[in-house]
Amino acid sequence: GENVEQHPSTLSVQEGDSAVIKCTYSDSASNYFPWYKQELGKRPQLIIDIRSNVGEKKDQRIAVTLNKTAKHFSLHITETQPEDSAVYFCAAYGTGGFKTIFGAGTRLFVKA
Amino acid sequence: DVKVTQSSRYLVKRTGEKVFLECVQDMDHENMFWYRQDPGLGLRLIYFSYDVKMKEKGDIPEGYSVSREKKERFSLILESASTNQTSMYLCASSLLGKETQYFGPGTRLLVL
Repeated sequence: GENVEQHPSTLSVQEGDSAVIKCTYSDSASNYFPWYKQELGKRPQLIIDIRSNVGEKKDQRIAVTLNKTAKHFSLHITETQPEDSAVYFCAAYGTGGFKTIFGAGTRLFVKA
Repeated sequence: DVKVTQSSRYLVKRTGEKVFLECVQDMDHENMFWYRQDPGLGLRLIYFSYDVKMKEKGDIPEGYSVSREKKERFSLILESASTNQTSMYLCASSLLGKETQYFGPGTRLLVL
């Protein structure tokens, strides 16, 4: 069935450094790729998304890139801050309607 | 602001008990979802519903059932709780035709 693989499972960076999280998806019909951030003890919240007709999208310190041919998409966080520490989930949407397939999550630690 | 609420933040039940988890959203969303979240496995879809009285199985429906009698409310039922159903349960909702999901705060269920 459809699958989304996410790497790494844990990422530790120094404050001010960049962080990159990578995902691959299996279903070439997927057309929407959201990223959710879940802080400790809180609910997942959408932080950025990208559609299949776009290669890159930026929102302040956060950017997503999509390579449809390779079925890869990535989250880039620049100038990391301690409040970026959280679990990040990538996801792919688009087949069978309604269903979003989530990656396993990346726990990001930003050390002050 | 979308509000998705879940009836309990923490729940402790005994093996064999019938368990009800309630989710309510106040934004008139057509789609509602139940996920379970386990470390290293991300968010796995149990059931979803795209209309009142409609339900569809997700990826891991075994041992669960759902009920959607009203548009704003989606209930997850564990007919006979087992220890392997100890997990964090997240409810989410979205508008018909829109991919962004809004999550509830989660219910951490412990089955003894």
